[in-house]
Amino acid sequence: KAGVTQTPRYLIKTRGQQVTLSCSPISGHRSVSWYQQTPGQGLQFLFEYFSETQRNKGNFPGRFSGRQFSNSRSEMNVSTLELGDSALYLCASSFPTGQESYEQYFGPGTRLTVT
Amino acid sequence: KNQVEQSPQSLIILEGKNCTLQCNYTVSPFSNLRWYKQDTGRGPVSLTIMTFSENTKSNGRYTATLDADTKQSSLHITASQLSDSASYICVVSPYSGGGADGLTFGKGTHLIIQP
Repeated sequence: KAGVTQTPRYLIKTRGQQVTLSCSPISGHRSVSWYQQTPGQGLQFLFEYFSETQRNKGNFPGRFSGRQFSNSRSEMNVSTLELGDSALYLCASSFPTGQESYEQYFGPGTRLTVT
Repeated sequence: KNQVEQSPQSLIILEGKNCTLQCNYTVSPFSNLRWYKQDTGRGPVSLTIMTFSENTKSNGRYTATLDADTKQSSLHITASQLSDSASYICVVSPYSGGGADGLTFGKGTHLIIQP
């Protein structure tokens, strides 16, 4: 099976712009989660989608939004970019099974640099 | 507040040596604990997952231990190789089948293997 793919892999934007990142989960996985990873904070949960519905949302401002399509592909959008939004954005897909449920498979990430 | 603390923050060892990474958590309730390996610029990859009733799990040269009473876990790497250079992240889940928002991530240990 192909793994989780994320596009683009690298992105440079200017403060005030907006950006859209894309994630394609593993075939058959219906849950997609997004994380922001910075050197100082580690991985921080942004939001999770399941069957096109946002199931959970982390403690991020409303500038961060996302959606999931019927084929389980997901996008996240950040509007009015700030320097502090520079980070590696990771997407993870999952298919809960039994006790070892919620095994997450991460994509390679999108490295966003805001100048 | 649920927390996962990892130590050391960074570690440098010579190729062929063994090392042990630590993870202490205060997550409650507890369902399972995972160790991930994250190569630079890539997404995390799962190494091991342990539930409450398991106290050791191996994956090749990686052996994870769990003491649910003291809420401590360790990841032991045997006969280190240059390819082990990466960040190692400890993640604790409070309940099985739960969503991504329930996961608590440690900030990771950055391991460098020198030839």
